[in-house]
Amino acid sequence: AQSVAQPEDQVNVAEGNPLTVKCTYSVSGNPYLFWYVQYPNRGLQFLLKYITGDNLVKGSYGFEAEFNKSQTSFHLKKPSALVSDSALYFCAVRDPNQAGTALIFGKGTTLSVSS
Amino acid sequence: KAGVTQTPRYLIKTRGQQVTLSCSPISGHRSVSWYQQTPGQGLQFLFEYFSETQRNKGNFPGRFSGRQFSNSRSEMNVSTLELGDSALYLCASSLEVVSHEQYFGPGTRLTVT
Repeated sequence: AQSVAQPEDQVNVAEGNPLTVKCTYSVSGNPYLFWYVQYPNRGLQFLLKYITGDNLVKGSYGFEAEFNKSQTSFHLKKPSALVSDSALYFCAVRDPNQAGTALIFGKGTTLSVSS
Repeated sequence: KAGVTQTPRYLIKTRGQQVTLSCSPISGHRSVSWYQQTPGQGLQFLFEYFSETQRNKGNFPGRFSGRQFSNSRSEMNVSTLELGDSALYLCASSLEVVSHEQYFGPGTRLTVT
């Protein structure tokens, strides 16, 4: 069965410092991986995805993520955090061998950036 | 292009009642999925519709049902509401391409008293 783990409930960083939000997955074969962000009382916003190709993918708002097949990880990164990055971040996976476009989400990681 | 819209945004119901939530996908998107978000369980997949047919279903009781219309708009219904059904219900739409991302609506906040 597909699953996604986000091992940290909360990540705290200071503004200007680099940030990493961790994600590991369990899917047979080559998964499709996604990151979403959720601000209070809002729906989810798509940040980036890995389908194939370069292991480092770039997305919205300066975020990037690195796909590591041997470690089954897809960590979200940003070189310099902003206070406005504070939000709830979700990693999600889709098995391309299964029909449909539904996603399996991790539990989410709250990112708190202090000024 | 307009985003995914969901109505109503907020809803308060009493145990035992039923509720219907509506979702209009992004124009051209024919795949619609529904998710339940709660603090304890996180985001859980309810079901997915494509071309008016349910394609996938999550692990929820039969009280949760849905449908999709020919214009791709979708509704989900919850019958015999329980307190535990209180949640944010999110609708997402995407193109019918497995590599395509889903785009989410703002959600409907359902409170069951």
